[in-house]
Amino acid sequence: DGGITQSPKYLFRKEGQNVTLSCEQNLNHDAMYWYRQDPGQGLRLIYYSQIVNDFQKGDIAEGYSVSREKKESFPLTVTSAQKNPTAFYLCASSKAELPYEQYFGPGTRLTVT
Amino acid sequence: AQSVAQPEDQVNVAEGNPLTVKCTYSVSGNPYLFWYVQYPNRGLQFLLKYITGDNLVKGSYGFEAEFNKSQTSFHLKKPSALVSDSALYFCAVRVSGGYNKLIFGAGTRLAVHP
Repeated sequence: DGGITQSPKYLFRKEGQNVTLSCEQNLNHDAMYWYRQDPGQGLRLIYYSQIVNDFQKGDIAEGYSVSREKKESFPLTVTSAQKNPTAFYLCASSKAELPYEQYFGPGTRLTVT
Repeated sequence: AQSVAQPEDQVNVAEGNPLTVKCTYSVSGNPYLFWYVQYPNRGLQFLLKYITGDNLVKGSYGFEAEFNKSQTSFHLKKPSALVSDSALYFCAVRVSGGYNKLIFGAGTRLAVHP
């Protein structure tokens, strides 16, 4: 997990509320990613960013939004439009040059009731 | 379609015995392959990768993986399993073209029994 921090570790929200998950890295990586992990489904890509002020939708972007104002930070907002937001969320980063491995943060477990 | 398959949901092995966690892939062009390990309520930790060169790749914690192009496989191996190796293991392949997108398998839970 070294070099990437995610906060908080556990997050509880009521249905209908937006919530923002924090991701910070000090690895000087250009690229950052957000994944969602559900039991038995592996990881699915939500959003990715290859450079500051630019980001792209991944495979399951609906109901999520991101920003990339600083190289070190890539926060994810889970909006009320996300129909099934309860999940384990993982942030990762990598060098922009391919094909370097991605390094992951410790994750945030979000529970929406 | 580009994909990764981990055919076993769970692998059980006795401590001290060799272990194998299977992975097969389908990708256009040359494959870039990765193995990660996840302990409960933690992020993924990088174990090893295959980019090019020797088909046997050595990684962290005594793990290694064998790349087999003809069988499109990248199985994770360890000669002697430890109870502390018990965890969830993910195989991933980089999607060809574009940015550094990885496709992950569904994961294989390894249980090492004393």
